[in-house]
Amino acid sequence: QKEVEQNSGPLSVPEGAIASLNCTYSDRVSQSFFWYRQYSGKSPELIMSIYSNGDKEDGRFTAQLNKASQYVSLLIRDSQPSDSATYLCAVKKDSNSGYALNFGKGTSLLVTP
Amino acid sequence: EPEVTQTPSHQVTQMGQEVILRCVPISNHLYFYWYRQILGQKVEFLVSFYNNEISEKSEIFDDQFSVERPDGSNFTLKIRSTKLEDSAMYFCASSEAYRPGGSWVSNQPQHFGDGTRLSIL
Repeated sequence: QKEVEQNSGPLSVPEGAIASLNCTYSDRVSQSFFWYRQYSGKSPELIMSIYSNGDKEDGRFTAQLNKASQYVSLLIRDSQPSDSATYLCAVKKDSNSGYALNFGKGTSLLVTP
Repeated sequence: EPEVTQTPSHQVTQMGQEVILRCVPISNHLYFYWYRQILGQKVEFLVSFYNNEISEKSEIFDDQFSVERPDGSNFTLKIRSTKLEDSAMYFCASSEAYRPGGSWVSNQPQHFGDGTRLSIL
């Protein structure tokens, strides 16, 4: 069973701080990695995608990927109370037959004013 | 911004009844998906659909389930003879495709609809 692992949290950070969310995956052939944000009772909302080793920045968000370590992370700079949500790591292997996203259970983030 | 729309937002059904969940994917997307999320659990893949046929399905997607694209815009999930354990949020998603080297492959992000909360009584 290919797994995507995340700490469930809650991760509590003060407003303005950097939140660091981590994810490990077991399937070495995975090629596409996504971070989604899910507010309670709502649907997953895409934040970032990353496909190559290294960092990818988009506004306050930075995704980091290390395929050798099978590790992907999300940094949120200048955290705001509105960032309080569950962050889902999703991994997809790329092949002509593989389209499913394999989700982690998510990390709950609480940003305190 | 284009979005995936799902109807109804909440469906209550008696156990053993059939239910159809409806989705309108983003108009220029070619890949369509259904996922479910049981309360308190992770999002689980059910099925993907491309070019009017199922391209991949999970162990959850057994003979009780079927999908259809009845026209150029709708994508449906039918659950026959519903069971109590089918109670969950059902999410539809869609994604674009690109064609590297002659093969259609999708690794574009999947965009999710707001979901249908299915309650089986």
